[in-house]
Amino acid sequence: AQSVSQHNHHVILSEAASLELGCNYSYGGTVNLFWYVQYPGQHLQLLLKYFSGDPLVKGIKGFEAEFIKSKFSFNLRKPSVQWSDTAEYFCAVLGGGSQGNLIFGKGTKLSVKP
Amino acid sequence: DADVTQTPRNRITKTGKRIMLECSQTKGHDRMYWYRQDPGLGLRLIYYSFDVKDINKGEISDGYSVSRQAQAKFSLSLESAIPNQTALYFCATSRRGYDEQFFGPGTRLTVL
Repeated sequence: AQSVSQHNHHVILSEAASLELGCNYSYGGTVNLFWYVQYPGQHLQLLLKYFSGDPLVKGIKGFEAEFIKSKFSFNLRKPSVQWSDTAEYFCAVLGGGSQGNLIFGKGTKLSVKP
Repeated sequence: DADVTQTPRNRITKTGKRIMLECSQTKGHDRMYWYRQDPGLGLRLIYYSFDVKDINKGEISDGYSVSRQAQAKFSLSLESAIPNQTALYFCATSRRGYDEQFFGPGTRLTVL
């Protein structure tokens, strides 16, 4: 069965620092990949998604992610974080026997110090 | 996203009570889902529905039941609530299987 691993439970950065959050999935076949963000007290919102094509995907608010098939990875990046990026970030995968259902990682909490 | 709504937003109840959480959507999507979120565990799928007549168990369906009253409505019931069902519950929809999901605002349920 498909599984998703997010390496960091809690990341603390200062404003303007660069961000990279790791995500690895277990299935090697065709997958659709997502990053969702949950701001404090809010619901999940889509940051970006990868279905096919260019493995470097750009999302909202300056986020991007790179799909590396050989590494089963879909890491999220942002060159310069802001205090407003404080949130929890979830990587999710569709595919690999998931019957069309999203499989979520456990999330990474990002705290940005002003 | 106001296209997916959940009621109630917060609920405190006692062990053994029956609880229903409701989800409505105006996106016209066929697929609907119920998840629960627990700190450090991410989101786990409880039930999902591909259309009104197709309901399926997810990863953690024990202790829960669902009803798909219409394309736009999908309710989650806890027949006899227990404290370890205290969690944040999210409803989501998608147009088709291999597509992004849109989430409701969540229901925070506390079982005492």
